[in-house]
Amino acid sequence: FMLTQPHSVSESPGKTVTISCTRSSGRIASNYVQWYQQRPGSSPTTVIYEDNQRPSGVPDRFSGSIDSSSNSASLTISGLKTEDEADYYCQSYESINLVVFGGGTKLTVL
Amino acid sequence: QLQLQESGPGLAKPSETLSLTCTVSGGSISSSSYYWGWIRQPPGKGLEWIGTIYYSGSTYYTPSLKSRVTISVDTSKNQFSLKLNSVTAADTAVYYCASRKGAYSSGWYDYWGQGTLVTVSS
Repeated sequence: FMLTQPHSVSESPGKTVTISCTRSSGRIASNYVQWYQQRPGSSPTTVIYEDNQRPSGVPDRFSGSIDSSSNSASLTISGLKTEDEADYYCQSYESINLVVFGGGTKLTVL
Repeated sequence: QLQLQESGPGLAKPSETLSLTCTVSGGSISSSSYYWGWIRQPPGKGLEWIGTIYYSGSTYYTPSLKSRVTISVDTSKNQFSLKLNSVTAADTAVYYCASRKGAYSSGWYDYWGQGTLVTVSS
């Protein structure tokens, strides 16, 4: 299956943005979804794991959810800061331990 | 806290084999809580999962690369390795090794190496 993300989103500082990740086949709830942040020139870091869990050190401005009706996952960032400007990738699994990444979304905070 | 470091040539010739090693420190590669993976990112593009290995030697590969990829583990050296044969310019990418905390078909990549750029060119 594929995970489809918007190519880019933009929003102003202090606002809230939501990035979607739609699973092409199979149920989104079948396997957990993770979200990674990648700033230019850096390795990715996890901002959400297991659909809606935040690793320690990730601010609670970041939240994750899944919606079975649209078969999609979402990453929501509230109180946007310029430091949130980055590429964001969703990730999930095939049932046979195969990893799938979404194509990535470039977030611009302007 | 785990640390992962990729090593290997930064240049590979077309049709030859790309070989990289990931050295794990700060923890044991034999931990039952982790899978170990390779992920790549062509310049200006997104992340592509290559494959995963468990300390027991079980491997899982992305279908598009399965015929050219081998991932192996050396528990005595706390390392795992990637070999990609018959490379072309399309294999030019930053290659990351990463640790995946979790179980079969679950978990998240909690630690990543800094990435190493491999260019395929004659």
